[in-house]
Amino acid sequence: GQQVMQIPQYQHVQEGEDFTTYCNSSTTLSNIQWYKQRPGGHPVFLIQLVKSGEVKKQKRLTFQFGEAKKNSSLHITATQTTDVGTYFCAGTSLDTGRRALTFGSGTRLQVQP
Amino acid sequence: GAVVSQHPSRVICKSGTSVKIECRSLDFQATTMFWYRQFPKQSLMLMATSNEGSKATYEQGVEKDKFLINHASLTLSTLTVTSAHPEDSSFYICSARDVAGNEQFFGPGTRLTVL
Repeated sequence: GQQVMQIPQYQHVQEGEDFTTYCNSSTTLSNIQWYKQRPGGHPVFLIQLVKSGEVKKQKRLTFQFGEAKKNSSLHITATQTTDVGTYFCAGTSLDTGRRALTFGSGTRLQVQP
Repeated sequence: GAVVSQHPSRVICKSGTSVKIECRSLDFQATTMFWYRQFPKQSLMLMATSNEGSKATYEQGVEKDKFLINHASLTLSTLTVTSAHPEDSSFYICSARDVAGNEQFFGPGTRLTVL
């Protein structure tokens, strides 16, 4: 079945440093979504990318969708303590036609003030 | 944005009892709702896809007789964990997708502890 992996599993940065998490799918995706989950909370939708090679920005967050639509990245510039949480990518497979989201393994970000 | 509620937010029960969790879309109609389970420090694992007016589609390895799903209306889906055991203790999260788009709106989750 479809697998979505993220690296790194965990990252600890000093406030002000940049952070990147990478997402790789075993199948081609029709779209990729990114979610943030704070400790004890539920996932909150951040963004959706649909087009091959698409890049979107939200303030300090930059999201990319790979040309082959099998990978994606989230980059945070100058992290802040409010960025703490686990970031999940999630995609729907183009190959299988499955509309349900498959979540990545997640990257937990810790920001040291 | 769209709001999804879940009830209860937390439940502690004895082994062998059944627990019902409700998921409601408050300001939109959801033809499809999803039930996920999340163990500590792990990702969300899809358990089943719930379609209004029809039987749920369960993921491989999820027992449909143990996790009963009912999606009786466009705004309500329920998950019943039957004869719960300690290994069923987890964070159960539902999500709903509106008719228009692909974005999923998540409920706040239900933390189940089975003693």
